[in-house]
Amino acid sequence: KQEVTQIPAALSVPEGENLVLNCSFTDSAIYNLQWFRQDPGKGLTSLLLIQSSQREQTSGRLNASLDKSSGRSTLYIAASQPGDSATYLCAVSGGYQKVTFGTGTKLQVIP
Amino acid sequence: DGGITQSPKYLFRKEGQNVTLSCEQNLNHDAMYWYRQDPGQGLRLIYYSQIVNDFQKGDIAEGYSVSREKKESFPLTVTSAQKNPTAFYLCASSGTSKFTEAFFGQGTRLTVV
Repeated sequence: KQEVTQIPAALSVPEGENLVLNCSFTDSAIYNLQWFRQDPGKGLTSLLLIQSSQREQTSGRLNASLDKSSGRSTLYIAASQPGDSATYLCAVSGGYQKVTFGTGTKLQVIP
Repeated sequence: DGGITQSPKYLFRKEGQNVTLSCEQNLNHDAMYWYRQDPGQGLRLIYYSQIVNDFQKGDIAEGYSVSREKKESFPLTVTSAQKNPTAFYLCASSGTSKFTEAFFGQGTRLTVV
């Protein structure tokens, strides 16, 4: 059974700092991995999707990497801003019914 | 604008009642999903549908029912058989090429009173 772990569960950083969020998974047989952002009481907003054949994806200040063999993905946020404060979730897909979500990292960026 | 619309945003249910959560998408996606989110837990799959008039149980389908009569719509009914229905419910859709990028609605918070 696929297990997805996100460490740390919570992170607080000063504005402007570069930071890395971690996601690890136990079964490397995945189709893709997706990073989401969730604001309190809201739905999930897709940030980046990495196919299993890719190593990384970039969108603005965000960069996500994938190392399938070691079961790891990282989300790098450059020059963090208070508006980046949210919970970040990763999800790995092994098929329609086989999408497993992590429990998220709650990020607070302090002005 | 294309997207997924969930309604209502907040829903209160009395003991023994069935309630239905709405999910509509205009992204022309074939696949739709319902997830439940509880504090401290990852999202858990309730039901999913790959095409109209077909749907499959997820990991926690007991006490829930769905229908898929139209491509755009995938309503979820929380029945009285669901013992602990208080949660945040999220609807998602995606293309059918394995599991392509998923898009989520804004969620419905269901509370039993």
